[in-house]
Amino acid sequence: DVQVTQSPSSLSASVGDRVTLTCRTSQGILNYLAWYQQKPGRVPELLVYSASTLQLGVPSRFSGSGSGTHFTLIIENLQPEDAATYYCQKYNSAPQTFGPGTKVEIK
Amino acid sequence: QVQLQESGPGLVKPSETLSLTCTVSGGSINTYFWSWIRQPPGRALEWIGYIYNSGSTSYNPSLKSRVTMSVDTSKKQFSLRLTSVTAADTAVYYCARHVPGGSWNDFWGQGILVSVSS
Repeated sequence: DVQVTQSPSSLSASVGDRVTLTCRTSQGILNYLAWYQQKPGRVPELLVYSASTLQLGVPSRFSGSGSGTHFTLIIENLQPEDAATYYCQKYNSAPQTFGPGTKVEIK
Repeated sequence: QVQLQESGPGLVKPSETLSLTCTVSGGSINTYFWSWIRQPPGRALEWIGYIYNSGSTSYNPSLKSRVTMSVDTSKKQFSLRLTSVTAADTAVYYCARHVPGGSWNDFWGQGILVSVSS
């Protein structure tokens, strides 16, 4: 199976910062990657699909990029409501594995 | 707006079968794929599998021997059965939707906590 890793596992940043989250897969998956945001005690929400397409309603300070095995989610101008765990998911083929997540905390 | 709602017992005994149902409202159950995803307490999301309205399925190989999914389009429901459960199956179970050709999960249920304990 294709392995999915995320880095860092956690980070702490200040309001207004630019934050970069990374997702890597052990084999190339073209752009078949999604990003989800899960706030504490809440349901995961889709942020990005096809590696770089923003889901409707997601603030434009979120952006996704990458293809193949290396993907990034960037949060510009970090806001307090962005405190959450972010998961990537590859979906080119089964199993549609999720990464272990990156927890973003606000200083 | 599509809404999904999981239902089923919140407590299952070890070695027994976990059975959950997801009811779809506010949209069609046809032409979409329907997923089950779980999350053990404090841990990451785990994809269990999905079913199409035709009944075709895809399961996580790590769970395949214990998982069965089914769909009842007349009731706008789809279901998950997981046999021979252990404490490791304790998790919040989510149902979710994804579009054909896409496979990203755009609508999720609220989740249901299922504990495995005697």
